[in-house]
Amino acid sequence: GAGVSQSPRYKVAKRGQDVALRCDPISGHVSLFWYQQALGQGPEFLTYFQNEAQLDKSGLPSDRFFAERPEGSVSTLKIQRTQQEDSAVYLCASSSGRSGEQYFGPGTRLTVT
Amino acid sequence: SQKIEQNSEALNIQEGKTATLTCNYTNYSPAYLQWYRQDPGRGPVFLLLIRENEKEKRKERLKVTFDTTLKQSLFHITASQPADSATYLCALDSYLGDMRFGAGTRLTVKP
Repeated sequence: GAGVSQSPRYKVAKRGQDVALRCDPISGHVSLFWYQQALGQGPEFLTYFQNEAQLDKSGLPSDRFFAERPEGSVSTLKIQRTQQEDSAVYLCASSSGRSGEQYFGPGTRLTVT
Repeated sequence: SQKIEQNSEALNIQEGKTATLTCNYTNYSPAYLQWYRQDPGRGPVFLLLIRENEKEKRKERLKVTFDTTLKQSLFHITASQPADSATYLCALDSYLGDMRFGAGTRLTVKP
């Protein structure tokens, strides 16, 4: 069975551009999480979905960040008007429950120039 | 504010020895504590989960302890091998879905 996949793996954006990052979770996993990981740091929680409902978005750093999961499977993280400080690896994870072990994708490395 | 500290950025040990990594936390009451392994350029991989009412968990060469009074978890890798070299992350889970990670400890096992 396939694991969590993310696309693109690498994205270079000019400052001010909008980007969209995609996550395909493990089939049947109800919970989906987005994290931001800066170099040398641990993942920082951004947001959490249970099926299509976004239950927690407390970690989104600004209103330029928006996530959706309209049909309860694939999720998209959108960043509007990218800034240099948005440069990081964005990780997606899924899990069969609200808590417990999470399965991570390989991440999307975003570089804003 | 909530804080998760992992003992050191880097730990170097000799092959065959036991590696011990520490995770301390403050201002948090986790329901679970998890340990993940992360290799360069990859997402974290789940290793072990220990619940707040459990003292110790083992899996093959791995052992985790969890002391909610000290607010500390210890992660041990016995008979370490060069293939164990990676960054190890501890994560606190509160039942609410907002898992919080430490910064990680980079372990290098020298042959």
